[in-house]
Amino acid sequence: DIQMTQSPSTLSASVGDRVTVTCRASQSISSWLAWYQQKPGKAPKLLIYKASTLEGGVPSRFSGSGSGTEFTLTISSLQPDDFGTYYCQQYDSYQFTFGPGTKVDIK
Amino acid sequence: QVTLRESGPALVKPTQTLTLTCTFSGFSLSTSAMCVSWVRQPPGKALEWLARIDWDDDIYYSASLKTRLTISKDTSKNQVVLTMTNMDPVDTATYYCARMPGGGYRGFDHWGQGTLVTVSS
Repeated sequence: DIQMTQSPSTLSASVGDRVTVTCRASQSISSWLAWYQQKPGKAPKLLIYKASTLEGGVPSRFSGSGSGTEFTLTISSLQPDDFGTYYCQQYDSYQFTFGPGTKVDIK
Repeated sequence: QVTLRESGPALVKPTQTLTLTCTFSGFSLSTSAMCVSWVRQPPGKALEWLARIDWDDDIYYSASLKTRLTISKDTSKNQVVLTMTNMDPVDTATYYCARMPGGGYRGFDHWGQGTLVTVSS
């Protein structure tokens, strides 16, 4: 099974900061990676799929990059509404795996 | 407008079988490349994918849970049903159903609100 790791596990940043979250897969997954934002008590929200394709309606300050085993989610200018936990998710061989999450809070 | 809603018991006893229903609207599970999955999240923990059913009746299960899971669909009722046998307290979690267009290659783009299932005697 493919395992996913994320770093950091938590981060605290100020409004306007550039924020980067890293996700690594235990083996190559090409570009089959998605990113989600989850707020407390709510279902996850899809932000990016196929590593870098922005889901409709998601602000352009969110971007994704990477392929193979290393991926990044970048928030170009952190906004107050961006707090929450961010999860990466891979798709390989009809199995889906989520990363452990990165909690982002606003200083 | 796409919506999904999970329903089922809030409390089950250890060893019992859990049955959850996902009722959806705004799309059809007979549309090519459309899929629906179940995902769970124990309190304070990460998401875990459980099972998927496709427009063409293909079915996939989490390798670690496949012996306990059964997923099925009723296209006419716009429902997907998940059963999980031999429930244990570690299965306490919020269970979500989610839509997956594009055969899974476009992520889970719409989610239900989730239903919390507690396993306790």
